[in-house]
Amino acid sequence: AQRVTQPEKLLSVFKGAPVELKCNYSYSGSPELFWYVQYSRQRLQLLLRHISRESIKGFTADLNKGETSFHLKKPFAQEEDSAMYYCADGSSNTGKLIFGQGTTLQVKP
Amino acid sequence: EAGVAQSPRYKIIEKRQSVAFWCNPISGHATLYWYQQILGQGPKLLIQFQNNGVVDDSQLPKDRFSAERLKGVDSTLKIQPAKLEDSAVYLCASSDYRAKNTEAFFGQGTRLTVV
Repeated sequence: AQRVTQPEKLLSVFKGAPVELKCNYSYSGSPELFWYVQYSRQRLQLLLRHISRESIKGFTADLNKGETSFHLKKPFAQEEDSAMYYCADGSSNTGKLIFGQGTTLQVKP
Repeated sequence: EAGVAQSPRYKIIEKRQSVAFWCNPISGHATLYWYQQILGQGPKLLIQFQNNGVVDDSQLPKDRFSAERLKGVDSTLKIQPAKLEDSAVYLCASSDYRAKNTEAFFGQGTRLTVV
């Protein structure tokens, strides 16, 4: 069964420090991966998808098929980045998303 | 554009009672999902509709959960009877077609507490 693993429940960094939120997936084919974010008191929303290869709010994520990873990175964290981040696999033929358990990013001033 | 609407936002019921949640997806979105998010976990798909047909309900506890999508638009999710372990946030999401790489838009969720 497809599985997404986010090993860290909480990641705490200081403002301006680099950030890397880890995500590993189990799908053996060509995965379709996403990062979703939930800011405090807001709904879950798409941050970025791997196929777009874009940078959103300074975040990037590179697919590494050899390591089956899709880590989310930002070189300089900002306080407004504090949120819950979910990695999701949308490789299913139906388009459903399989989510990891999420990582809380806390950026301290 | 208007987002996915869900109601109620919060619900507290006693175990063995029944409860229903309502979702109105983004206009024109053919695909509708119900996810269950237990505290400390990521969302887990319960059921997926394409228009008014069920695409995936493999994770839906069918002995107590049911869902329908009337006329391929609004949807309701019902639990009868509720158990303590059903306490969770129930998220509705919609997307504009059943395909990979499609963004899913989420509602605010309904937080259910079963006591």
